[in-house]
Amino acid sequence: QKEVEQNSGPLSVPEGAIASLNCTYSDRGSQSFFWYRQYSGKSPELIMFIYSNGDKEDGRFTAQLNKASQYVSLLIRDSQPSDSATYLCAFPGDYQLIWGAGTKLIIKP
Amino acid sequence: GAVVSQHPSRVICKSGTSVKIECRSLDFQATTMFWYRQFPKQSLMLMATSNEGSKATYEQGVEKDKFLINHASLTLSTLTVTSAHPEDSSFYICSATPRRGQSFQETQYFGPGTRLLVL
Repeated sequence: QKEVEQNSGPLSVPEGAIASLNCTYSDRGSQSFFWYRQYSGKSPELIMFIYSNGDKEDGRFTAQLNKASQYVSLLIRDSQPSDSATYLCAFPGDYQLIWGAGTKLIIKP
Repeated sequence: GAVVSQHPSRVICKSGTSVKIECRSLDFQATTMFWYRQFPKQSLMLMATSNEGSKATYEQGVEKDKFLINHASLTLSTLTVTSAHPEDSSFYICSATPRRGQSFQETQYFGPGTRLLVL
């Protein structure tokens, strides 16, 4: 059974600090990973995907993938109150994405 | 980017009626569309996967006769909640995956969701 584990939180981070969100996954063969953000009452939106080991940066967001440890993370620099949301990681299963339960992030002004 | 629309965004209906929700991929062809349900403060729950031109695959515990899915074209899938009851009140979200060969491969793009309230 392919699975993704995420700490449900909430994770509370002061404004301006770095928020670090983590996922571990079970399928050693997984090649790609996705981070989605979901605001309360809204649908998830894709914010980043990563295919290779190492870091991928996009603005204030950095995704990190460590295939040997089966670990993927998302760093948010200079956290803003507008970053407060639930962050979901996912990887492709046989025919659908395998989702983590999501981590609720709260940025405190 | 890839855009997925849903209609209606919000619906209120009486118990026993049927409600149809449309999901459209606006700027890409979707080989596969997914239907999710999300109750307040809970995770996404996959209900079914639909491939264009074939029957939907339902997740365990989801009644296929109650949640009818039709994926008639590469850009449209519909979910019909038949004989809706108050316990069916939820946030229904569709997503779509582009046809292989186009960009963004396995990425799922989500519609804005439909909030259903059954009285």
